[in-house]
Amino acid sequence: KQEVTQIPAALSVPEGENLVLNCSFTDSAIYNLQWFRQDPGKGLTSLLLIQSSQREQTSGRLNASLDKSSGRSTLYIAASQPGDSATYLCAVIRVSRGKLIFGQGTTLQVKP
Amino acid sequence: DTGVSQDPRHKITKRGQNVTFRCDPISEHNRLYWYRQTLGQGPEFLTYFQNEAQLEKSRLLSDRFSAERPKGSFSTLEIQRTEQGDSAMYLCASSPLGERSQETQYFGPGTRLLVL
Repeated sequence: KQEVTQIPAALSVPEGENLVLNCSFTDSAIYNLQWFRQDPGKGLTSLLLIQSSQREQTSGRLNASLDKSSGRSTLYIAASQPGDSATYLCAVIRVSRGKLIFGQGTTLQVKP
Repeated sequence: DTGVSQDPRHKITKRGQNVTFRCDPISEHNRLYWYRQTLGQGPEFLTYFQNEAQLEKSRLLSDRFSAERPKGSFSTLEIQRTEQGDSAMYLCASSPLGERSQETQYFGPGTRLLVL
């Protein structure tokens, strides 16, 4: 059974700091891993998708890495801003399945 | 706006009542998913359609839950005889048919259900 874990559950940093969010998964047979952002009471917005054959993806100040063999992914946010405050969720799609399996999320607060 | 839409956005009901939610996916997206999210947790998969065919159902989907996608376009999720434990955010997502490794699911804003 695939399990996805995110550490830490919550994080508070001052504006301008670089930070890393962690995600681990138990079954390396995945199609891809995705990072999502969720604002309070809202739906999910896809940030980055890393295919199982890839090692990392970048979009603006965000960089996500994937180490399938160790079952780990990190989301690096450079020069954090108050607008980055949200919950960040990672999710994987297992091989032969289409559903996303989510971690419980990391709630980030960036203080001005 | 051509994103995924859900209706209603909020629903308050009394225990024992039936409720129905609607999801309109992005046009021409063949795949449609329903997830449920409780406070402080990540979304959990409920069910998946490819066109009008319901291909997978979670064990979370008890016999009080039923989902349809009659013409392969919009979908409905009905909960009969609601219980307080059904209180959650119900999320719908859609994606185009294609390689799973490249699949991005696009989420709607969700329907927040509160059962009193």
